[in-house]
Amino acid sequence: EVQLVESGGGLVQPGGSLRLSCVASGFTFSNSWMHWVRQVPGRGLVWVSRVNPDGGSTNYADSVKGRFTISRDNSKNTVYLQMSSLRAEDTALYYCARADIAVTRNSLDIWGQGTMVTVSA
Amino acid sequence: QSVLTQAPSASGTPGQRVTISCSGSSSNIERNNVNWYQQLPGTAPKLLIYKSNQRPSGVPDRFSGSKSGTSASLAISGLQSEDEADYYCAAWDDSLNSVLFGGGTKLTVL
Repeated sequence: EVQLVESGGGLVQPGGSLRLSCVASGFTFSNSWMHWVRQVPGRGLVWVSRVNPDGGSTNYADSVKGRFTISRDNSKNTVYLQMSSLRAEDTALYYCARADIAVTRNSLDIWGQGTMVTVSA
Repeated sequence: QSVLTQAPSASGTPGQRVTISCSGSSSNIERNNVNWYQQLPGTAPKLLIYKSNQRPSGVPDRFSGSKSGTSASLAISGLQSEDEADYYCAAWDDSLNSVLFGGGTKLTVL
């Protein structure tokens, strides 16, 4: 079955850190650009970051640049999002999603169900 | 505030054709492909249109996409009750080096 399963969300204090993980199965992970997208419940989608298939190239939204780091381990079919200096405005449901390199870098055709991050004292 | 602009809401009756627009700029929509996503209540987004006008396997041909200059559109013909959802456009922005999402359009089937 083709799927992405996120984990690692939870409650964290402002200024704290959290690492999200997303495990892929059912497709060739090493041929995929991997993205993180977040959504405050009831609000719109906001792109966070992406990493290329070999992990050597990354991009970030300005709102998280310098605080979040995306990485991947192709041997484990896993993409990570290390989040630090967390702020209340980072509170959201975090989705991981993939783009097939054979199609485009940014057409997200597989999505996980999301993991919730809450930043609060 | 999203750099890709969508109307917050749209509506239509069953069988009608509705169009959802997405307005951007020369650094995003004009130079790059546009993707459209459908998000049903309580679920993860689903890719509806990629490369501005291509449908992934399994997406009904009632859904179509187009792009002209700095704007893109998603058209839904033969509107059905199950089409009631939020729709988002997205595109890469060459200036920001980021993916941008529109603010989303909530489609109501009356």
